[in-house]
Amino acid sequence: SYVLTQPPSVSVAPGQTARITCGGNNIGSNSVHWYQQKPGQAPVVVVYADSDRPSGIPERVSGSKSGNTATLTIGRVGAGDEADYYCQVWDTSDHLVVFGGGTKLTVL
Amino acid sequence: QEQLVESGGGLVKPGGSLRLSCVASGFTFRDHYMSWIRQAPGKGLDWISYISNSGSPIYYSDSARGRFTISRDNARSSLYLQMNSLRAEDTAIYYCARLRCSSASCFWRYFDSWGQGTPVTVSS
Repeated sequence: SYVLTQPPSVSVAPGQTARITCGGNNIGSNSVHWYQQKPGQAPVVVVYADSDRPSGIPERVSGSKSGNTATLTIGRVGAGDEADYYCQVWDTSDHLVVFGGGTKLTVL
Repeated sequence: QEQLVESGGGLVKPGGSLRLSCVASGFTFRDHYMSWIRQAPGKGLDWISYISNSGSPIYYSDSARGRFTISRDNARSSLYLQMNSLRAEDTAIYYCARLRCSSASCFWRYFDSWGQGTPVTVSS
């Protein structure tokens, strides 16, 4: 089955840029989506289709892909960005949904 | 306002059964694929199953196949998850979520709306 690999944690100072990676075999041929989940809340999509933002998500949040890695980039990080972030793909070969293990973003 | 509200969670003994419900409002339920996703305490997101807008096809994760059954009633704008032979490791928050196509071809999908979840605890 398809596996997405994320670092368990990322730490960044306020005002800096956070980059959260999501690795998967041949991920370049898939469409990657990213979710933010704050404690006690349901997840919210912040990037879909690799790099598109839903309405209400600020421009400082962006997504990209290169090789076998997708990256969620959050610029000018603030305390409100502290959350768990998950990547997700749609495994078209097996018709399954795959989530990465999640990354906890800590703002120092 | 689009909304998904889950119910039916609770405490159940190992080997027992539970039926979760999710009522949708604020959008045309019958137009969308729907899904169940769970999250064990302190763990990540774990996809369980999804169902097409018409009720077929249906797909399950390996952990759910054979024990869980997803269904929907478009007339009632409701999604269900029947869970049987429950185990301690099924303890989690269970979320109902709507799937949206991420491209015009609808080759891929993502979750664009989530409920607040209903907790399920499997314990003797």
